[in-house]
Amino acid sequence: AQSVSQHNHHVILSEAASLELGCNYSYGGTVNLFWYVQYPGQHLQLLLKYFSGDPLVKGIKGFEAEFIKSKFSFNLRKPSVQWSDTAEYFCAVTFGAGSYQLTFGKGTKLSVIP
Amino acid sequence: SQTIHQWPATLVQPVGSPLSLECTVEGTSNPNLYWYRQAAGRGLQLLFYSVGIGQISSEVPQNLSASRPQDRQFILSSKKLLLSDSGFYLCAWSVGNHGYTFGSGTRLTVV
Repeated sequence: AQSVSQHNHHVILSEAASLELGCNYSYGGTVNLFWYVQYPGQHLQLLLKYFSGDPLVKGIKGFEAEFIKSKFSFNLRKPSVQWSDTAEYFCAVTFGAGSYQLTFGKGTKLSVIP
Repeated sequence: SQTIHQWPATLVQPVGSPLSLECTVEGTSNPNLYWYRQAAGRGLQLLFYSVGIGQISSEVPQNLSASRPQDRQFILSSKKLLLSDSGFYLCAWSVGNHGYTFGSGTRLTVV
């Protein structure tokens, strides 16, 4: 069955530390990949997305993600986190060409300590 | 510009009572519409999606139903709420395959 896995439930970092959040999916066909962020008390917002082309995708607020097809992964990275990055991060995938149904991972809560 | 409205923001309902949550979209035509439920530690679960008026697909069998009486209106309903229906409900829309835009959500507590 198609699924999305986020292995880290809660990540705690100090400001200026580097961040990498893992996301893996199980599906052998075409996928579109997304990262969403939910800041405390706010809506889900799109951070970045990958459809095709350069597997290194840059998003808002200094985030980037790399699609590694051979590893079925789409990890989110940021070189230096800030306290304002404290939020919950969700990886999401559509499975199959032309699909528009997003399947979400369970989310990773990031806490950044000043 | 495109916006999505979802209400109410919070709702406390007794077990066995009916439910109606409404979501409307502005600034776009023929969107795909979705209802998700977000539970702590379980991420977002797709409940229903709709590709057009009167077209509803259910992803998870449960005590809830959805309807789309107009192009930009999506309603989540229940005839009799259960305690397990408590959660955070999110409406979303998309056009094509360019990611979703989410509403602000409804926190439902069934008591």
